[in-house]
Amino acid sequence: GENVEQHPSTLSVQEGDSAVIKCTYSDSASNYFPWYKQELGKGPQLIIDIRSNVGEKKDQRIAVTLNKTAKHFSLHITETQPEDSAVYFCAASENNFNKFYFGSGTKLNVKP
Amino acid sequence: EAGVAQSPRYKIIEKRQSVAFWCNPISGHATLYWYQQILGQGPKLLIQFQNNGVVDDSQLPKDRFSAERLKGVDSTLKIQPAKLEDSAVYLCASSSSGFDEQYFGPGTRLTVT
Repeated sequence: GENVEQHPSTLSVQEGDSAVIKCTYSDSASNYFPWYKQELGKGPQLIIDIRSNVGEKKDQRIAVTLNKTAKHFSLHITETQPEDSAVYFCAASENNFNKFYFGSGTKLNVKP
Repeated sequence: EAGVAQSPRYKIIEKRQSVAFWCNPISGHATLYWYQQILGQGPKLLIQFQNNGVVDDSQLPKDRFSAERLKGVDSTLKIQPAKLEDSAVYLCASSSSGFDEQYFGPGTRLTVT
């Protein structure tokens, strides 16, 4: 099955700086890559996703890039704010009824 | 639109006891998922339903875990008997067709002592 690795496990940045979280996947058949944000005591919430026919996608301060050849994808958050502090998870799916394989998570701390 | 509802939010039981979790997905969503999230890890899929049929239960420990979605709407996940390693957050998610975004509930935090 698919194996998704995520780095770093913790990331601390100053407010206004950029944050980058990286994931790699093993199954070349995976073609859908969502990113979820999980705040304390809540379930994960989708913040952005990308499909394998696209190399980059941007939504305001958040962007995701995908390198299919290298099997890695990254989340970029610019102009970070304290409310961005949370745990972020990447996932990969073969779109086979959307079976998601999640990374182990990155705890992002944005210091005011 | 109401989100995915789960209950209870917290549960503490002793090992070898049984426990059940309930999930009500977003109205009209055909696909329902149960995940186990151990502290410090990403969610791991336990079982996936399409309407009231099981699509994938390959990672469900069937000797102690069971789940049902009898009318294709709400679902129950049961653990019997519980072990210490079952301590985790159990997340329910739903999607409209299984090929799009999954919406997660707040989860049930289970502690087995």
